[in-house]
Amino acid sequence: AQKVTQAQTEISVVEKEDVTLDCVYETRDTTYYLFWYKQPPSGELVFLIRRNSFDEQNEISGRYSWNFQKSTSSFNFTITASQVVDSAVYFCALIETQGGSEKLVFGKGTKLTVNP
Amino acid sequence: DAGVTQSPTHLIKTRGQQVTLRCSPKSGHDTVSWYQQALGQGPQFIFQYYEEEERQRGNFPDRFSGHQFPNYSSELNVNALLLGDSALYLCASSAHRGREQFFGPGTRLTVL
Repeated sequence: AQKVTQAQTEISVVEKEDVTLDCVYETRDTTYYLFWYKQPPSGELVFLIRRNSFDEQNEISGRYSWNFQKSTSSFNFTITASQVVDSAVYFCALIETQGGSEKLVFGKGTKLTVNP
Repeated sequence: DAGVTQSPTHLIKTRGQQVTLRCSPKSGHDTVSWYQQALGQGPQFIFQYYEEEERQRGNFPDRFSGHQFPNYSSELNVNALLLGDSALYLCASSAHRGREQFFGPGTRLTVL
C-alpha cells in the first residue's frame, strides 16, 4: 500500500527565514501523483501543487518551490523568506488508484509556525 | 463559481446518536470523496462516490455510510456515534479520474 511520511511534526522559524518541509513516499506504482496541501487554522485544505512521477523538473511558484527526487522517493517543499501568513499545517499526499477510482493518502502533516 | 460546500459547519452529538453531513461538489465535478481528520492527524479516506455508487472504501466500519444524489451532491451518515468519531469531516470533489481533489471547509463533529 501507498505510504507518505512527514518526519517533521512541528517547525518554528522566524519571519524571512527559509524553511524546507520533508516528504518521503512509498508506492509500487510506476506512474503516480504527489500533492502538497496547506491547512490554515480555518481547517480547509488548500491545494498547492501536483507533481507527476514522470516529470522530475523542480517547480517554483513565487516563494514556494518543490524538489522531486524519484531516486530517494522524496518530494520536499521549500518556502523562501517565510511570512507569518505561511503559518499552517502542510500535508504531503499521494494518489492511490484502486479499481478505477482514486483516493489521496496523506502524511501526518507538518505544523509550521512563522514568528514575527 | 462556487467551490465545494459542506453543512453544517459544526455539530455536537452524544454517543449512540446518528448524524448526517452534507456536501455539494464544485461545479463541473461528478465525484465526491469523504475524509475523516482526527486532531493532529492527516485526513483518512472514508469512501468515494461516483454515478451514485460507492466506488472505493477505506478502513471504516459499516456505521459509516453514504449516498450520492443525481445532482452529484453527497451525504455522509454515521450511526451509533462513538467518542472516537469526533473529528473534522472533509468532503472533496473531482472530475471522474481527475487528479485534483478540491476540498470543502469541513464539518467539525464533536461526540460527547
